[in-house]
Amino acid sequence: QSVLTQPPSVSGAPGQRVSISCTGSSSNIGAGYDVHWYQQLPGTAPKLLIYANSNRPSGVPDRFSGSNSGTSASLAITGPQAEDEADYYCQSYDRSLSTWLFGGGTKLTVL
Amino acid sequence: EVQLVESGGGLVQPGGSLTLSCAASGFTFSGYWMHWVRQAPGKGLVWVSRIHSDGSSTSYADSVKGRFAISRDNAKNTLYLQMNSLRVDDTAVYYCVRGRGYDSAYYFDYWGQGALVTVSS
Repeated sequence: QSVLTQPPSVSGAPGQRVSISCTGSSSNIGAGYDVHWYQQLPGTAPKLLIYANSNRPSGVPDRFSGSNSGTSASLAITGPQAEDEADYYCQSYDRSLSTWLFGGGTKLTVL
Repeated sequence: EVQLVESGGGLVQPGGSLTLSCAASGFTFSGYWMHWVRQAPGKGLVWVSRIHSDGSSTSYADSVKGRFAISRDNAKNTLYLQMNSLRVDDTAVYYCVRGRGYDSAYYFDYWGQGALVTVSS
């Protein structure tokens, strides 16, 4: 069981807004450590999607956005496309464990 | 263009050893901390190890501490992971990853394609 908790799966249709949560604790997200998000398309390596809570690297579509509050963070996808079907992972740092952490991952299905 | 290319994966028996390499190009390798992250079949991502930009310090996940050793050769732009006393649960794709950021805002901005390590008798 991951220290950063994500729902195993989410789904949504194009035109809808899909949200993926990442719940941590006072030793990671709640301690002020930023949350980052990665997209892993089937059979490929993970790719940085959002860094420092809400920043998109060059080339990432603006339908992807990130936010955080307290001990949780969220990734939102506004109008998911078929090519967005992938696994999504949140990542942060835990000061008690002194390690970088990933959430368990969430599989997005586009209806 | 940043490129990270892993090599050295394969099948090894429990208790055996294997060394992974990661050839880096397209950036100033000696300026970045580097990491290994692994993913067991059908499972999530797990951070394994990191090394300072000049190789002066290293850290490991508890699950590999004392068995794995990370190193780098900045003259060859290459990262290594020496894996000893391998166990069945070390079976995974191992990714070479570049780290970026600072303190409370540290993330992994470039990933290699991965090297599959299978530990089985």
